[in-house]
Amino acid sequence: GAVVSQHPSRVICKSGTSVKIECRSLDFQATTMFWYRQFPKQSLMLMATSNEGSKATYEQGVEKDKFLINHASLTLSTLTVTSAHPEDSSFYICSAPQGRTQYFGPGTRLTVL
Amino acid sequence: GESVGLHLPTLSVQEGDNSIINCAYSNSASDYFIWYKQESGKGPQFIIDIRSNMDKRQGQRVTVLLNKTVKHLSLQIAATQPGDSAVYFCAEQGGTYKYIFGTGTRLKVLA
Repeated sequence: GAVVSQHPSRVICKSGTSVKIECRSLDFQATTMFWYRQFPKQSLMLMATSNEGSKATYEQGVEKDKFLINHASLTLSTLTVTSAHPEDSSFYICSAPQGRTQYFGPGTRLTVL
Repeated sequence: GESVGLHLPTLSVQEGDNSIINCAYSNSASDYFIWYKQESGKGPQFIIDIRSNMDKRQGQRVTVLLNKTVKHLSLQIAATQPGDSAVYFCAEQGGTYKYIFGTGTRLKVLA
């Protein structure tokens, strides 16, 4: 149990375009999901907390207009990187909690050319 | 690209030996601790957790030890195998729902 999926696993886009990443909890419901960003050889950095039916909570320094989050259902949260630029290239990972344990998706590698 | 000058601590262990990965946590109010394994290009995978009312918990081939006095957490892997090669992160939680992650340790298993 406690499987989280992400789609796509990798995406390459041109600068200025928007990219949507989906995060799904496959076998459980999650009113909250988390979005992280990870740079090479570094730990996970929490970007925002996605809340089903309400606005996401963003961490300090994360632009909410840049990283749009929608938690449309109890099993789906989406992260849209708007007007992507090369500095947005990174590994994006979502997680969903069951109890106090966060279960992570496989990650999405975003490359902006 | 890579961050200049940033290196993950690395633990190299001979196949079959036991591995001990250490983590110092920051918040004395944290009451829940988790170890994750992250293979290259993948998301973190849950290994084992422990609550602050315990000082030891065992799983399959893994043991987590918690020392609240010195705010130290360790992960022991018995009979380390090549498939154990990965980066291991500890995480702590307490007070809020957010996790605080450690910097990570790379485990290299030598054949």
